[in-house]
Amino acid sequence: EPEVTQTPSHQVTQMGQEVILRCVPISNHLYFYWYRQILGQKVEFLVSFYNNEISEKSEIFDDQFSVERPDGSNFTLKIRSTKLEDSAMYFCASSTGTGEQFFGPGTRLTVL
Amino acid sequence: GQQVMQIPQYQHVQEGEDFTTYCNSSTTLSNIQWYKQRPGGHPVFLIQLVKSGEVKKQKRLTFQFGEAKKNSSLHITATQTTDVGTYFCAGRFYGGATNKLIFGTGTLLAVQP
Repeated sequence: EPEVTQTPSHQVTQMGQEVILRCVPISNHLYFYWYRQILGQKVEFLVSFYNNEISEKSEIFDDQFSVERPDGSNFTLKIRSTKLEDSAMYFCASSTGTGEQFFGPGTRLTVL
Repeated sequence: GQQVMQIPQYQHVQEGEDFTTYCNSSTTLSNIQWYKQRPGGHPVFLIQLVKSGEVKKQKRLTFQFGEAKKNSSLHITATQTTDVGTYFCAGRFYGGATNKLIFGTGTLLAVQP
């Protein structure tokens, strides 16, 4: 069964450093998303991406964040200068349309 | 803003007891989805409700969407230890440019054997 994959599973970084989180969405999906979940809290929408551009972003997704689909398979989230409060689990998701979103296993980001 | 609340935050039941979680939105929803997240896992889709007053069943799980499309519930009959996890509702609001989901605050279900 096709699944969304994410790498790395865990990333530890120093405050102020740049990180890139990688995702491979399901191959025939057209919509891609990033969500984050601070430990023990709800899942929060960050950004959606369709037709090679950002469709919508939340207030959390400020100038420190960017997304890219550098080739036909990868979908990346870059945080330019990490802060302590960026520590969270980051989930990538994809969908064909308005229905079910398929989530990846997540990348746990720890900012020291 | 667009907010989705769930109650209770936490529920502890004995195996075999029933469980219900309630989801309320600040505004009318286009549709609502339910996801289950096992401890240490990622959200896994359970179901989507679209129509006002819709009721759907999956084995021991019953999902309802309110008439005003502002609330929803998930009921589990005769819980099993495999039901353990956090149940999230996730709403799509009218007027959004995309399919972004606003997740509820979640209900953590613990089942004692």
